[in-house]
Amino acid sequence: EVQLVESGGGLVQPGGSLRLSCAASGFTFSTYWMTWVRQAPGKGLEWVANIKQDGSEKFYVDSVKGRFTISRDNAKNSLYLQMNSLRAEDTAVYYCARAVSGSTVSPLSYWGQGTLVTVSS
Amino acid sequence: EIVLTQSPGTLSLSPGERATLSCRASQSVSSSYLAWYQQKPGQAPRLLIYGASSRATGIPDRFSGSGSGTDFTLTISRLEPEDFAVYYCQQYGSPPLTFGGGTKVEIK
Repeated sequence: EVQLVESGGGLVQPGGSLRLSCAASGFTFSTYWMTWVRQAPGKGLEWVANIKQDGSEKFYVDSVKGRFTISRDNAKNSLYLQMNSLRAEDTAVYYCARAVSGSTVSPLSYWGQGTLVTVSS
Repeated sequence: EIVLTQSPGTLSLSPGERATLSCRASQSVSSSYLAWYQQKPGQAPRLLIYGASSRATGIPDRFSGSGSGTDFTLTISRLEPEDFAVYYCQQYGSPPLTFGGGTKVEIK
């Protein structure tokens, strides 16, 4: 059974940093693109970033470029999101998600339960 | 960046009725790399449709997708009580892989 379990969320002050983790199991982690998607309270979904199987390609939404870094450790079956210079508008539930297939272009078929990040003083 | 606009924002219907949801892209979505997701309160999204018209594993056939280029539609042929939720479209052909703003299907 595919499982994605996020952790690392919490309350952080504006300008602070946080590192989210996603532990994957039930599939061969190293063969799939992985993605972070967020959802602000009461709002819609926002794609944040994704990373290729070997980490050689990464893409980000403009609003987080230069502040967030997506990474992965295939030996640990884990996905990460390092978030620096956090702003109030980064407050959201952050989901880890897996592509349907190993292809470069693929929708998201498995999602974690999400971890809440709150940026507030 | 491809901007996806969903309409209507809210759809008020009764169980058994047909729901038609629209997703319009600001530019052509390559190779119909368009997906639809369903999200219920407190839950993660669930993939319904990919490639504009292919149902994901386990999705009932009352859900269907159509369209190409810049105009896409999700149709629920007969609404079941469990279908009342928020629906999002997403293009996954070119980064950033944007979502639409969502359509809420509520009980009338």
